[in-house]
Amino acid sequence: AQRVTQPEKLLSVFKGAPVELKCNYSYSGSPELFWYVQYSRQRLQLLLRHISRESIKGFTADLNKGETSFHLKKPFAQEEDSAMYYCALAFYYTGANSKLTFGKGITLSVRP
Amino acid sequence: GAGVSQSPSNKVTEKGKDVELRCDPISGHTALYWYRQSLGQGLEFLIYFQGNSAPDKSGLPSDRFSAERTGGSVSTLTIQRTQQEDSAVYLCASSLAGVSYEQYFGPGTRLTVT
Repeated sequence: AQRVTQPEKLLSVFKGAPVELKCNYSYSGSPELFWYVQYSRQRLQLLLRHISRESIKGFTADLNKGETSFHLKKPFAQEEDSAMYYCALAFYYTGANSKLTFGKGITLSVRP
Repeated sequence: GAGVSQSPSNKVTEKGKDVELRCDPISGHTALYWYRQSLGQGLEFLIYFQGNSAPDKSGLPSDRFSAERTGGSVSTLTIQRTQQEDSAVYLCASSLAGVSYEQYFGPGTRLTVT
């Protein structure tokens, strides 16, 4: 079955430290993966998607099909990065039917 | 233009009552999604509307939950005979087309069942 696993619930780092938010997926087809972020008292919003291969707010994520991972990384964390992060997988299951499934999320706390 | 809106922002109801939650998607977005967000459970898919296709209801947790989307726009999520375990934040999102497109989320409705 299609599944997204975010093994950690909380990651706490000091400002300036590197960050890696882990995401693993299970899907037999060609995956489309996303990271969504929710800052305090704001709406959930798209951070980045693997197709775009872009860096947003200093974050990058590389799809590793061999390890079925899509970890989110940032070399130097900032306090404003503190938020809840969700990894999501888009998959097609019958014909044109599709679904986006989310992991359980991880809270990133960046301390000054 | 305006983003996705949801109403009410907060709803407190007694166990056993029915509730209706409303979502106004971004104009022109053909896809609309409902999710439930609760502590420890993350973001749980409930239902997905895409254009005129039959909705994907596979995420609805029980037959007490139903949703409709009228005229390809506004959607209503109805929970009948609410239970305490229904307490959560219900999020609506819309996108231009299918799941490959960015989803734009509403602010959510916080439902508390007492």
